[in-house]
Amino acid sequence: DAKTTQPNSMESNEEEPVHLPCNHSTISGTDYIHWYRQLPSQGPEYVIHGLTSNVNNRMASLAIAEDRKSSTLILHRATLRDAAVYYCILIRAGTASKLTFGTGTRLQVTL
Amino acid sequence: DAGVIQSPRHEVTEMGQEVTLRCKPISGHNSLFWYRQTMMRGLELLIYFNNNVPIDDSGMPEDRFSAKMPNASFSTLKIQPSEPRDSAVYFCASRSTSGRVSEQFFGPGTRLTVL
Repeated sequence: DAKTTQPNSMESNEEEPVHLPCNHSTISGTDYIHWYRQLPSQGPEYVIHGLTSNVNNRMASLAIAEDRKSSTLILHRATLRDAAVYYCILIRAGTASKLTFGTGTRLQVTL
Repeated sequence: DAGVIQSPRHEVTEMGQEVTLRCKPISGHNSLFWYRQTMMRGLELLIYFNNNVPIDDSGMPEDRFSAKMPNASFSTLKIQPSEPRDSAVYFCASRSTSGRVSEQFFGPGTRLTVL
């Protein structure tokens, strides 16, 4: 499976935008980029996914580099409830969608 | 929908005892996954089922661990005998395999402590 690299931690002020980066230089053409997050004392939850084009949903936006070797999860206005560990995961189309979690980025949001 | 349901939410047991963790996936989902989370190893996949059939159990640590899915609405993860190093949070997740790629929905987890 292609590997992803994320910073260990990031900080943000509440109400500010947050850009969470992910590098995946060995991504293959059929790998989807998925983001999950894990709030304290909860199971992981799906955030967003994309293949080539940028994606938006009610939770976040996903910006994918033209060469697909990196992507950025964008939280437009961070709130205290967004404090979590964010995981960037590659899933190959047509596979069982097994999730291989790395260490993720721990996002701290302060007032 | 109630989401993925796991029971018990907390389990404390003594070394050597049998432990059974339970999971009810979301109705209509046909894939089920068991994960384990520890501080040392993070989140790791133990086993997954497709249409009640175990597909990949390469993540199961050893023979003390076993998982079953007797029907589409119920799965168990059993540890016999349990050891202190099995202490972890165990998550169950389910997904629907319709469509090319779909998200997994996780339960709240079972926090297991083996003394």
